[in-house]
Amino acid sequence: NAGVMQNPRHLVRRRGQEARLRCSPMKGHSHVYWYRQLPEEGLKFMVYLQKENIIDESGMPKERFSAEFPKEGPSILRIQQVVRGDSAAYFCASSPQGTHSYEQYFGPGTRLTVT
Amino acid sequence: GDSVTQMEGPVTLSEEAFLTINCTYTATGYPSLFWYVQYPGEGLQLLLKATKADDKGSNKGFEATYRKETTSFHLEKGSVQVSDSAVYFCALSVSNTGNQFYFGTGTSLTVIP
Repeated sequence: NAGVMQNPRHLVRRRGQEARLRCSPMKGHSHVYWYRQLPEEGLKFMVYLQKENIIDESGMPKERFSAEFPKEGPSILRIQQVVRGDSAAYFCASSPQGTHSYEQYFGPGTRLTVT
Repeated sequence: GDSVTQMEGPVTLSEEAFLTINCTYTATGYPSLFWYVQYPGEGLQLLLKATKADDKGSNKGFEATYRKETTSFHLEKGSVQVSDSAVYFCALSVSNTGNQFYFGTGTSLTVIP
């Protein structure tokens, strides 16, 4: 049973370019979460999605960031016009249920470097 | 608001030493509490969890007890191994905040032979 998969593992973008990060949840999981980890910090929640729905995007920056989880295919976190401050590790997690007592299963992360 | 405060690192211990990593929380509802471990270059792996007061989570020799009276969830292990070297994150999830996890800043543990 494959775990949460993320690709690419490493992504380098120049300032102003777009970054697309992909996440395939564990089989049978329909709840996906995105987190950002800045250097020397813990993970910060960005967005919570179910298939075709954004449930909670309270942690998403208001501009340049968007996320989707289509009916078919992986969840995508999209960052437009990247800036140096976007350099971080982005983790995706999935869970089988959307209740707080269920653990979230994390992918290996995508490390974004903006030059 | 909801938050987790975690013991600062880094922590360096000799093999077979006793480990405690402190974690306290603030929550507006009734949280579930988790410890995750992150090995270099990898994602987070669930280590243990507790979903209600006085529950004890345990796994691989690690233990943590959900203490509502002290709002704490300290991680302990009686005898650490070199393979336990990693970063440990305390986290909480509260039912009335949409299932997001709140993480501590992480504690780096290095175990030396």
